[in-house]
Amino acid sequence: DTGVSQDPRHKITKRGQNVTFRCDPISEHNRLYWYRQTLGQGPEFLTYFQNEAQLEKSRLLSDRFSAERPKGSFSTLEIQRTEQGDSAMYLCASTPWGNPDTQYFGPGTRLTVL
Amino acid sequence: QQQVKQSPQSLIVQKGGISIINCAYENTAFDYFPWYQQFPGKGPALLIAIRPDVSEKKEGRFTISFNKSAKQFSLHIMDSQPGDSATYFCAASTPGTASKLTFGTGTRLQVTL
Repeated sequence: DTGVSQDPRHKITKRGQNVTFRCDPISEHNRLYWYRQTLGQGPEFLTYFQNEAQLEKSRLLSDRFSAERPKGSFSTLEIQRTEQGDSAMYLCASTPWGNPDTQYFGPGTRLTVL
Repeated sequence: QQQVKQSPQSLIVQKGGISIINCAYENTAFDYFPWYQQFPGKGPALLIAIRPDVSEKKEGRFTISFNKSAKQFSLHIMDSQPGDSATYFCAASTPGTASKLTFGTGTRLQVTL
């Protein structure tokens, strides 16, 4: 299966620690998205990349959050000084060139901040 | 501001019945309306999608009905099966916004035997 993969699948951390998540999109997908999903809610857009360029960031993405996509392949999402309110599922999605509406989601990384 | 409102929050349907989930939107600039299916511990998977130039789209047992004037769209699952038990999300996106999706709050569907 060559779908979107995310690592780790689960992360438990203590408040104040830094965490980093990785997303590997489907090969040759040029757009990559990060969403956050809290319990009982739909995913909320955080940021997106077209190739290596980060083109848009949501107001939800505070300055403790940073995302990168070096070389336009995999992406990382880092959260510094985690807070309990950061506990959520972090989803990554990618879309193919020429069909930007069809977003393929990964399984997500569930973050629990104690 | 919740731009896409989804109902009901949960739904129980008997096997073979019709499941109907409704969504309403506010932003008239939305031009793409997908439905996603999510199983526990998995990411959302695209089920079916529609654009406002058509009023209905059918793929197998899944149908989207779209009412542009009412700014509403709905998902119908015909002959519902226990394997359809999942959470369903409607979503919408606007052109020129990188196709970022605005999701509804989800409907938890349970199909009983």
